[in-house]
Amino acid sequence: QSALTQPASVSGSPGQSVTISCTGTSSDVGGYNSVSWYQQHPGKAPKLIIGDVGNRPSGVSNRFSGSKSGNTASLTISGLQAEDEAEYYCWSSTSSHTYVFGTGTKVTVL
Amino acid sequence: QVQLQESGPGLVKPSETLTLTCSVSGDSISRNYWSWIRQPPGAGLEWIGFMYDGGTTTYNVALNSRVTISVDTSRNQFSLNLRSVTAADTAVYYCARYLSGGLAYWGQGTLVTVSS
Repeated sequence: QSALTQPASVSGSPGQSVTISCTGTSSDVGGYNSVSWYQQHPGKAPKLIIGDVGNRPSGVSNRFSGSKSGNTASLTISGLQAEDEAEYYCWSSTSSHTYVFGTGTKVTVL
Repeated sequence: QVQLQESGPGLVKPSETLTLTCSVSGDSISRNYWSWIRQPPGAGLEWIGFMYDGGTTTYNVALNSRVTISVDTSRNQFSLNLRSVTAADTAVYYCARYLSGGLAYWGQGTLVTVSS
């Protein structure tokens, strides 16, 4: 199972919006609504920010939103803040009843 | 509040077996989905496997021949065994619980180095 494809990096100025893509196949992202997104700051454990494509857990800022179209899932961060600078990963279930992470995206706040 | 804590040796010799334990508080290990994930230094996350329904498992196909996840319900713990390790298995290992459509609770992670 190959890792899902994410851009290596995205950047934006404070207040702007950025979108991170997560591209897979019909055997993973495209076939299931089990895509989640994680934020990871250096030296810390990842944190769930979006579950099941677009569900935001309690306590997560509403500046984070998720969606999916075909074999690509997307995470949008609106109103970018300095604290959003981190690594972001997607994670999807697969047709083999396994799971796979994306390659990770570094978000830089300019 | 669900809390998870990884424990185990920080150094393992090549060809030996890596064994880690995840101690869970605030929830029963007999229910829900529990997972192991790892992250090599400077690299991305890799899903290792799931344990659910108190003992059913599913593994990353790339590790399937070397990995076993088991449960100790009496201690409310689950464990990871990774056999025949090499330097490529050096990583921070995390345990986590699935909830709300994702891995909602994570341990702090433990670094395991494979070296002679």
